[in-house]
Amino acid sequence: GEDVEQSLFLSVREGDSSVINCTYTDSSSTYLYWYKQEPGAGLQLLTYIFSNMDMKQDQRLTVLLNKKDKHLSLRIADTQTGDSAIYFCAESARDNYGQNFVFGPGTRLSVLP
Amino acid sequence: DAGVTQSPTHLIKTRGQQVTLRCSPKSGHDTVSWYQQALGQGPQFIFQYYEEEERQRGNFPDRFSGHQFPNYSSELNVNALLLGDSALYLCASSSAGGRRETQYFGPGTRLLVL
Repeated sequence: GEDVEQSLFLSVREGDSSVINCTYTDSSSTYLYWYKQEPGAGLQLLTYIFSNMDMKQDQRLTVLLNKKDKHLSLRIADTQTGDSAIYFCAESARDNYGQNFVFGPGTRLSVLP
Repeated sequence: DAGVTQSPTHLIKTRGQQVTLRCSPKSGHDTVSWYQQALGQGPQFIFQYYEEEERQRGNFPDRFSGHQFPNYSSELNVNALLLGDSALYLCASSSAGGRRETQYFGPGTRLLVL
């Protein structure tokens, strides 16, 4: 079945760039997503990338996709303390029954002042 | 424009009881998915409802059931609660009519089973 893996922890200094990595197994993935979860809250959609793209930039966020290696990364420029949260990578693939989402375990980003 | 809403926010039950959680999708969305997020883990897909029918199901036992109403809102029912059912239950809505079914999540219902 599908599987999504992420490193569990990342710690950076305020003002530095953060890079969160993700690998997935389903080659039929159509979209790949990054969600942010703050303590006690639901998941906030940050950005997504279609599988035929290799890069997407949205303000401080840059998503890179290496489809050959099934590797996705999220770069946060000028990381702020408010970026401290858990970041989930997710993939989706469409089959005859609809769209199936699979999430990774999440990367806890700690931003140090 | 209201986003995805869920009720209640917190719930405490005892083993063997039954629970019903509710979700209202984002305006314009017709598809509702439910996820279970155990502490320290990513969300696990339970099932998805579209046109009042269960369209997809993850690896969850029949104790987990659901329903979708004509107004697209949805309920998740869990029978014979176990301690391991303690988790954050997330509802996500999307629009099946579009090519991209981006899911938007509600704040979740935190269930504690004692």
